[in-house]
Amino acid sequence: DIQLTQSPSSLSASVGDTVTITCRASQSMRTFLNWYQQKPGKAPRLLIYAASSLHSGVPSRFSGSGFGTDFTLTISSLQPEDFAIYYCQQSYSFPYTFGQGSKLEIK
Amino acid sequence: EVRLVQSGPEVKKPGESLKISCQGSGYSFSSFWIAWVRQMPGKGLEWMGTIYPGDSDTRYSPSFQGHVTLSADKSLGSAFLQWSTLRASDTATYFCARQGTGSAGFEDWGQGTLVTVSS
Repeated sequence: DIQLTQSPSSLSASVGDTVTITCRASQSMRTFLNWYQQKPGKAPRLLIYAASSLHSGVPSRFSGSGFGTDFTLTISSLQPEDFAIYYCQQSYSFPYTFGQGSKLEIK
Repeated sequence: EVRLVQSGPEVKKPGESLKISCQGSGYSFSSFWIAWVRQMPGKGLEWMGTIYPGDSDTRYSPSFQGHVTLSADKSLGSAFLQWSTLRASDTATYFCARQGTGSAGFEDWGQGTLVTVSS
């Protein structure tokens, strides 16, 4: 199974800041890496697919990059609605797996 | 508009059986994988398995294989997750999600079904 490790597990930032979350895989998976946002009591929402493609309707301040085993999610100019938990997920091979999550809090 | 609508919350006792549902609309139900994802209280997301309604091809996470069964009914446009013997540790919210084309991400999600297992 592919293990995904996110860092940091939690971070705090202010509105207007730029933050980066990383996701490291236990083996290479090309660009089969997706990012999700989840708010309390809600279903996750797809932000980025295939490592760097922005899902329909997602603001352009979200961006993703990476290949192989190392991936990043960057959020530029943080907005109040961006404070949430972020998960990476691999769709390279079964069983699909998620990272443990990164909680973004307001400073 | 793509929609996935899940069945309502359930309260069960250990040892009981349960089947929850996820009804899709607004797209060709048979043509996209549907995954199930568990979220235990205060915890992260866990992929349980996925089913392709077109031919019922099913893949399970080893962590859940043998304890749950995925199924789908094309005529109803619905996918199902079932347990024959519930445990207290099955208490969680369960989401269904539609995977995009190829190995894309989970583009659409149900609202979640809270399952509580308690004596």
